[in-house]
Amino acid sequence: QLQLQESGPGLVKPSETLSLTCTVSGDSISSGSYYWGWIRQPPGKGLEWIGSIYYSGTTYYKPSLKSRLTISVDTSENQFSLRLNSVTAADTAVYYCARHLPTRTFEYWGQGTLVTVSS
Amino acid sequence: QSALTQPASVSGSPGQSITISCIGTSSDIGHYDYVSWYQQHPGKAPQLIIYHVVNRPSGVSNRFSGSKSGNTASLTISGIQAEDEADYYCSSYTSSSALVVFGGGTKLAV
Repeated sequence: QLQLQESGPGLVKPSETLSLTCTVSGDSISSGSYYWGWIRQPPGKGLEWIGSIYYSGTTYYKPSLKSRLTISVDTSENQFSLRLNSVTAADTAVYYCARHLPTRTFEYWGQGTLVTVSS
Repeated sequence: QSALTQPASVSGSPGQSITISCIGTSSDIGHYDYVSWYQQHPGKAPQLIIYHVVNRPSGVSNRFSGSKSGNTASLTISGIQAEDEADYYCSSYTSSSALVVFGGGTKLAV
């Protein structure tokens, strides 16, 4: 059974960089056919797709976040990562990693991790 | 403001059927048969319940069904139960520069 697990700091200071890693177990990121994405959910609000990556390293970013966002993949560790720089309070959210099909169907989700941006 | 429009809330009594709408545009729902629906209970991750407009993943109750007409997708839950009380989100493939768009979510009260 595929499992995804987010990890990283739960508190980040304004203007600094938010870094999260998603560790995948039960399947290889390099198996192809799937994309690996990040979605976030501000407290009490809806879901927002942030970006996705293919195992080859091809990335897709939400246009409004593109200038601050980097998503990378480490196939040897079966992980993919998110870096969002120059964060503000508006970036406070539960961050989920997920696997999705080319048709943008998010089949498997991690449990999510709350990241708070505060001094 | 979300790219897809959903009602903020719907309610129903146990055993009734309810329908949640998801309104998009000709760039997403109206153009692609790649609409998904997710159920999210408080404090939990979203769970896929409908994909490609009408398909249910293995293990999802057949009380959940999806449909689409023009730029609007719909999720119907028949014979609603207390356990169905949750937030529901739609999403769609989009031809815009974003890969996917989500609705703002609908809270179902049973």
